[in-house]
This record gives sequence, structure tokens and C-alpha cells, in this order.
Amino acid sequence: DAKTTQPTSMDCAEGRAANLPCNHSTISGNEYVYWYRQIHSQGPQYIIHGLKNNETNEMASLIITEDRKSSTLILPHATLRDTAVYYCIRGYSTLTFGKGTMLLVSP
Amino acid sequence: EAGVAQSPRYKIIEKRQSVAFWCNPISGHATLYWYQQILGQGPKLLIQFQNNGVVDDSQLPKDRFSAERLKGVDSTLKIQPAKLEDSAVYLCASSLVWLAGVIEQFFGPGTRLTVL
Repeated sequence: DAKTTQPTSMDCAEGRAANLPCNHSTISGNEYVYWYRQIHSQGPQYIIHGLKNNETNEMASLIITEDRKSSTLILPHATLRDTAVYYCIRGYSTLTFGKGTMLLVSP
Repeated sequence: EAGVAQSPRYKIIEKRQSVAFWCNPISGHATLYWYQQILGQGPKLLIQFQNNGVVDDSQLPKDRFSAERLKGVDSTLKIQPAKLEDSAVYLCASSLVWLAGVIEQFFGPGTRLTVL
């Protein structure tokens, strides 16, 4: 039970912003929202995490709704190398991966 | 900084044979994880170690899978005997001791196991 809901796939044009949604309506108060991605034939890679506030790092921005029931990962200027499966995970001490969203960035 | 190392990268065996995978985590990382990733699915946690102690092995099929981390550093995952449904990528990850629930796991490249 991944406990989050994500679209199966999304497309994005190179250079445009990619906005990946995630629903986690049953999230507990102490659970974080994590985003990882997995490029083909590689292990997952940490992107960002948040609890209540919006977060930004060199890779992406994370927008969490005020009720914490959903979030959006934003890749501001997608490149071909951002093509990957993106996992949204809610958790505290362990991570439970779902099937994620396959993001395809095209020229 | 060296990443998580795993070997072998690929393994092909016949059903009922045994196989072992090795993982060396990032230096200083106390927590080590083994995941199983079947094609088309996300990784599934098999076992989590904190130093050389097991924190969570609730999803490890203990009748055929075993894992150890004797000196709190590198780890071995074994399957004996293997079944066809064990065909998957086995991922090792490590992290620092987590504080306040925040987890950043660093994953190795994985071992792709094919059981014929």
C-alpha cells in the first residue's frame, strides 16, 4: 500500500516546467512528503522533502497544500535528463514506494 | 564521496539454486536497506538494519531470504532456494541515522537477478 496516488504518466516539453501532482489525503501529522526519482537502470535518487511548508532546492520545488492532502513537485526547466519515474512518498521512519509517475521530457 | 556499491550487477541462475548479493554502504551511514524491485513496480523494502541490528524485516520471505550485516558496515542478502518470482532488481540503500523522521536514502545501482 503506497498510500499516495499519482498519475501513471506525464509528458513535458524540454525547457518548460514539469508539474507532478500527488494525492496523500490520509497523511498523518508527523509524516513527511518525499519525492524520489528513478532514471532507467539506476537506483532511485532523492529529490526533496517537506512537512508543511513549501520547499525549494537546486533540483526542484515542492508545494504542499495547507491541509497537507496533496502536493506538487515542480521541475522549473525540464531537460531530457529529467525523463524518469517520479515517486511521491509519505512516511516517517520508512519509505513505501508506489508505481510513481513516468515523466517523459521531449525535445 | 563514493556511493553505495553493489555486486554483482547481473546474475542469472536456475530455480532452486542459491544466490548472494553484496552491498557496501556510504562510509559512516549507520542505516542500510535492501529493496526488491519487480519490473514495472516501485521498490519494496525487504529489510532495514541499524548498524548490525535488524529494525524491520516484516516483508522479508524468511523461508528463503536471509540477510546479515555482521560488522555494521557491508551487508549480504541471500536467496536459497530461488524461485521464478524472485526475478527482480535488488537495490541496496544507506542513510545516516535519521533524526526527526527525515530520511534521505542513497541507492546503489542494483543487482538484476534472472531466475530461469
